[in-house]
Amino acid sequence: DIQMTQSPSSVSASVGDRVTITCRASQGISSWLAWYQQKPGKAPKLLIYGASSLQSGVPSRFSGSGSGTDFTLTISSLQPEDFAIYYCQQANSFPLTFGGGTKVEIK
Amino acid sequence: EVQLLESGGGLVQPGGSLRLSCVASGFTLRNYAMSWVRQAPEKGLEWVSTISTSDGSTSYADSVKGRFTISRDSSKNTLYLQMNSLRPEDTAVYYCAKYITGSPPPRCFDYWGQGTLVTVSS
Repeated sequence: DIQMTQSPSSVSASVGDRVTITCRASQGISSWLAWYQQKPGKAPKLLIYGASSLQSGVPSRFSGSGSGTDFTLTISSLQPEDFAIYYCQQANSFPLTFGGGTKVEIK
Repeated sequence: EVQLLESGGGLVQPGGSLRLSCVASGFTLRNYAMSWVRQAPEKGLEWVSTISTSDGSTSYADSVKGRFTISRDSSKNTLYLQMNSLRPEDTAVYYCAKYITGSPPPRCFDYWGQGTLVTVSS
């Protein structure tokens, strides 16, 4: 199975800050990576697929990069509605696996 | 508008069974691969199972293989998850999720249901 490791597990940031979250795969997954945002009591929301493609309707302050084993989600200017937990997911092969999550908290 | 509506969760004793349903609207279920993803209380996301479009082939996480069965009824535009021999560690919110469009479809999910809670406890 492909293990997905996210870092940091939590980050405290202020509105307007640039936030970067990292996801590492235990083996190469090309660009088969997605990022999701989850708010309390809600289902996850797809932000990025194919490592860098922005899902329709997602604000352009979200961006993704990387390939192979190392990936990054960047929020260029944190907004109040962005405080949530973010998960990466490898889409390369079964079993599909998620990272442990990164909680973005208000500083 | 795409919507997914799960039902069928509840409290069940260890060793018991439940069948979850996910009614899809706004799209034709058989044209998309579909999955179940679960989330234990205060924990992360865990993929459970996928059913493909073309031949209806299925895949399962090792943790549920042999106990859970994913299926669909195209006439009802509904996805199912039959869960047998339930264990306390199966306690979670279960989400149905639709694969994003693509060729081949990336194995990620653009629409999710609201989730249904399954609690396995005596």
